[in-house]
Amino acid sequence: EIVMTQSPDTLSVSPGNRATLSCRASQDIGSKLAWYLHKPGQPPRLLIYGASSRAIGVPARFSGSGSGTGFTLTITSLQSEDFGVYYCQQYNDWPPFFTFGPGTKVDLK
Amino acid sequence: VQLVQSGAEVKEPGESLKISCKGFGYSFASTYTAWVRQMPGKGLEWMGVVHPDDSEIIYSPSFEGQITLSVDKSISTAYLQWRSLKASDTGIYYCARRNYFGSGSSYGLDVWGQGTTITV
Repeated sequence: EIVMTQSPDTLSVSPGNRATLSCRASQDIGSKLAWYLHKPGQPPRLLIYGASSRAIGVPARFSGSGSGTGFTLTITSLQSEDFGVYYCQQYNDWPPFFTFGPGTKVDLK
Repeated sequence: VQLVQSGAEVKEPGESLKISCKGFGYSFASTYTAWVRQMPGKGLEWMGVVHPDDSEIIYSPSFEGQITLSVDKSISTAYLQWRSLKASDTGIYYCARRNYFGSGSSYGLDVWGQGTTITV
């Protein structure tokens, strides 16, 4: 079983500043990683798939990097709508298993 | 393109429940639909997936035996069912489309239902 961990648990950031979120997998997952933003009262939103590809409509200030066991989501110049909980998620091609990380809460400093 | 879920439910422990997720605007039958749970104050947990065309149902080991997933391809609707609810089933349940983005192992849950809140 693959276990996903994220750090930090909480990140306090001022609008306009940069945020760097980390995600680690307990074993090599290649680039089979996605990132989501979940805001209260809304469903999660896919930001990144394949570790580094932005989903449709996702602003260029979001970028993903990494492969194997270590991954990073970087948000340059944080906007007010970017606050919420960020989850990384490992996935398989087949069987289509998914594993979410515990999340990183990004809040207003 | 959207997934529309059934409304909030308030149930007593021991009762049964079936909630739904209907797809619009895409080929529902040829894609995986996933179910995801969020317990109060907690993170996201993947529960399982269904694939209508392949008649495939796959459960997360954490949820196998606790829930039943099903699908009616004719009406583009997936279902999540409990035989006997517990207080610990309280939470928000989301359905989501697993999409393939066409290069390598590029998958993601790109369309989500609005969520169904279950209170037991």
